Amino acid sequence: GENVEQHPSTLSVQEGDSAVIKCTYSDSASNYFPWYKQELGKRPQLIIDIRSNVGEKKDQRIAVTLNKTAKHFSLHITETQPEDSAVYFCAASGAGGFKTIFGAGTRLFVKA
Amino acid sequence: SAVISQKPSRDICQRGTSLTIQCQVDSQVTMMFWYRQQPGQSLTLIATANQGSEATYESGFVIDKFPISRPNLTFSTLTVSNMSPEDSSIYLCSVGLGSYEQYFGPGTRLTVT
Repeated sequence: GENVEQHPSTLSVQEGDSAVIKCTYSDSASNYFPWYKQELGKRPQLIIDIRSNVGEKKDQRIAVTLNKTAKHFSLHITETQPEDSAVYFCAASGAGGFKTIFGAGTRLFVKA
Repeated sequence: SAVISQKPSRDICQRGTSLTIQCQVDSQVTMMFWYRQQPGQSLTLIATANQGSEATYESGFVIDKFPISRPNLTFSTLTVSNMSPEDSSIYLCSVGLGSYEQYFGPGTRLTVT
């Protein structure tokens, strides 16, 4: 069935460094790839997304890249700050409409 | 986006009882969903709440255990029936906007004792 794998499960970086989270998906019909940030005790928040007709998208310090041939996509956070500490989820959808499959999550720690 | 609210925000329930969770959106939306997030885990889709028809359940979730109502385009309920401690989880509703974007409600934290 559909599957989204996410790595690493935990990532610890020094403030100011970059962080990269990688995901792979199994359904080649997927065409929408959102990223969510979930702070402790809060709801998941959509922070950036990318569609299959685009290879890269950037919004200030965050960027996403998509390689449809290899079926993987990545989140890049530059100049990390302590407030970036959270769990990040990648997801894939579009193959069956809105149905969204989430990765297992990456817990990011940014050390001041 | 949309303003999404859920009630209750948390509850502690006895095993064998049922709890109904409400999800309200401030604008009409076609797509509404219910997810479960077990402690420290990812989000798992329970079902799609269809307005005017029966909900569409994902594998592993059944209507008898998780009945869903969707009386209009701004409101949905999820009932967790005959609860056991394994049902302790966070339950989130979400709405679909635009082309596949989903936005989540604040969640309901359920503890079953």
